[in-house]
Amino acid sequence: DQQVKQNSPSLSVQEGRISILNCDYTNSMFDYFLWYKKYPAEGPTFLISISSIKDKNEDGRFTVFLNKSAKHLSLHIVPSQPGDSAVYFCAASGINDYKLSFGAGTTVTVRA
Amino acid sequence: DAGVTQSPTHLIKTRGQQVTLRCSPISGHKSVSWYQQVLGQGPQFIFQYYEKEERGRGNFPDRFSARQFPNYSSELNVNALLLGDSALYLCASSLGPGQVTGELFFGEGSRLTVL
Repeated sequence: DQQVKQNSPSLSVQEGRISILNCDYTNSMFDYFLWYKKYPAEGPTFLISISSIKDKNEDGRFTVFLNKSAKHLSLHIVPSQPGDSAVYFCAASGINDYKLSFGAGTTVTVRA
Repeated sequence: DAGVTQSPTHLIKTRGQQVTLRCSPISGHKSVSWYQQVLGQGPQFIFQYYEKEERGRGNFPDRFSARQFPNYSSELNVNALLLGDSALYLCASSLGPGQVTGELFFGEGSRLTVL
């Protein structure tokens, strides 16, 4: 039962433009949402997160938006850079939840 | 400072065999979690250990087991390997066992191929 879904397996964007990655979840008990980035032959690294009490969190070029009523979140990368080419995973956890539930990932390719 | 280290990085086994994967957490981190990532899917939670005790277990068969040692390193064991066990096994460390809010650091993983 996939509780976190990333329906776009891949995204290609031109350098300098905006990348928008989408994520949907079904478990209403999730209250913390995270994005991880993964390069080939490396483990996932934490990118940005958002608590359910917020609807936006910004860190440099990365902004995460949360729409609780729609059970939807998105990651915006502006401007996109070649080094952003990687697999991006959406993940979620609930209160007192010791584990993360991950989506299947979106592969982002930034074209020069 | 060293990050999360895992060994071996790659290994090939045949069906029915047993495998042991090892993980050393970041210094000072007392919690270790294991995740399985099958090709084309996101990581799936297997176990969490904190202070040598199992704190959580995902939906995996009893063929999967783990333990944590006094130095907080951990081993994941898989018995009676099946073809479907072929995956990247990720170890993650954190300071404590509480809700995951970002402070989860992953190793590079152990790539297991079962033939």
